[in-house]
Amino acid sequence: DGGITQSPKYLFRKEGQNVTLSCEQNLNHDAMYWYRQDPGQGLRLIYYSQIVNDFQKGDIAEGYSVSREKKESFPLTVTSAQKNPTAFYLCASSIQGHGNEQFFGPGTRLTVL
Amino acid sequence: RKEVEQDPGPFNVPEGATVAFNCTYSNSASQSFFWYRQDCRKEPKLLMSVYSSGNEDGRFTAQLNRASQYISLLIRDSKLSDSATYLCVVIRYGNKLVFGAGTILRVKS
Repeated sequence: DGGITQSPKYLFRKEGQNVTLSCEQNLNHDAMYWYRQDPGQGLRLIYYSQIVNDFQKGDIAEGYSVSREKKESFPLTVTSAQKNPTAFYLCASSIQGHGNEQFFGPGTRLTVL
Repeated sequence: RKEVEQDPGPFNVPEGATVAFNCTYSNSASQSFFWYRQDCRKEPKLLMSVYSSGNEDGRFTAQLNRASQYISLLIRDSKLSDSATYLCVVIRYGNKLVFGAGTILRVKS
């Protein structure tokens, strides 16, 4: 089955530690995205990538980093510089271009203690 | 002011009722519009696109009013399974998606 997967589903980390969230897709999509969702707020774009080895900052990139070495994979690192990292993180992919339907992974709930 | 605004609800309706949600957007250059559905603690999934001429998919009807800068979603004959959060999504200049915070719908028997 084609789809987009994220792991782990739940993640707990101590304050000051970097943590990497996994996102993999086998839909052959060129574009991939990372969002965070906080209670009472819409999804906010962290980073996006339209092609391998290229990515751009979204609206709230500070404290995060990404890489896009393979078409299928777009890992997100939450660094210790992110001031409020506890959130629900969603990865999405689409055929090239933001205007196309985005397919989301099941998300990772990160809690920083 | 938020770029995309929705009434958070919750809208509590009985089964079989008709319910409508509105969503307003502030950027008049917004190009495309969507409704996504998100179940509790799950990922969002596309419900329907919103076209200028309006569009209907079964019990769901979406409308766009560019002059007043709002889109709407109408659900007829509500089912228990319609209970979810409905996210309004707008594509603004630069082709970036902007999500509203969502409207909670609870359908009760």
